[in-house]
Amino acid sequence: DAGITQSPRHKVTETGTPVTLRCHQTENHRYMYWYRQDPGHGLRLIHYSYGVKDTDKGEVSDGYSVSRSKTEDFLLTLESATSSQTSVYFCAISEAEGTDTQYFGPGTRLTVL
Amino acid sequence: TQLLEQSPQFLSIQEGENLTVYCNSSSVFSSLQWYRQEPGEGPVLLVTVVTGGEVKKLKRLTFQFGDARKDSSLHITAAQPGDTGLYLCAVIKAGTALIFGKGTTLSVSS
Repeated sequence: DAGITQSPRHKVTETGTPVTLRCHQTENHRYMYWYRQDPGHGLRLIHYSYGVKDTDKGEVSDGYSVSRSKTEDFLLTLESATSSQTSVYFCAISEAEGTDTQYFGPGTRLTVL
Repeated sequence: TQLLEQSPQFLSIQEGENLTVYCNSSSVFSSLQWYRQEPGEGPVLLVTVVTGGEVKKLKRLTFQFGDARKDSSLHITAAQPGDTGLYLCAVIKAGTALIFGKGTTLSVSS
């Protein structure tokens, strides 16, 4: 299994509070991604990173920011959580672009009350 | 508009039955991937198909990429309870980002 961990694995928070999710990899892969998974929508890309300090927006980036100061860590921040951000968040990594395999972490279940 | 349409959305079958799930689009793709996701875990890549008409087999799973590279199918022979899960197709969009279909939830009972 690819060395990807996500923390926390579960979190319950209140509307308006800031939340940071962490993805940590031990594979030294260049590319890292954040997805959210919701019933009826499948997996949707939030942001991705193609190197340290290099990030770009995905399909559903509004309300989210990311940072990558080290190869191994990719942080997803919800500046002011809303109930619509209740979801399961997955981090993924890949060594190269294109058809290269993406390896997914175990996910973080976030509930915003 | 959903780029990838997967059907059926849900499938519940008995052990030993055969099944086919589909991934369709009006767009042409250079490649397509199939993932399986088990409850409480992240998706895991099963296969990547890159050539129109290509057929790949993974034990009891057979994957086919359409001749026009707009669609794909996954056929499972003699399904087992261990095949239970969410099956997702995905394509690369503009570089490294994956676009996923909504998936087919398969339940195989013994």
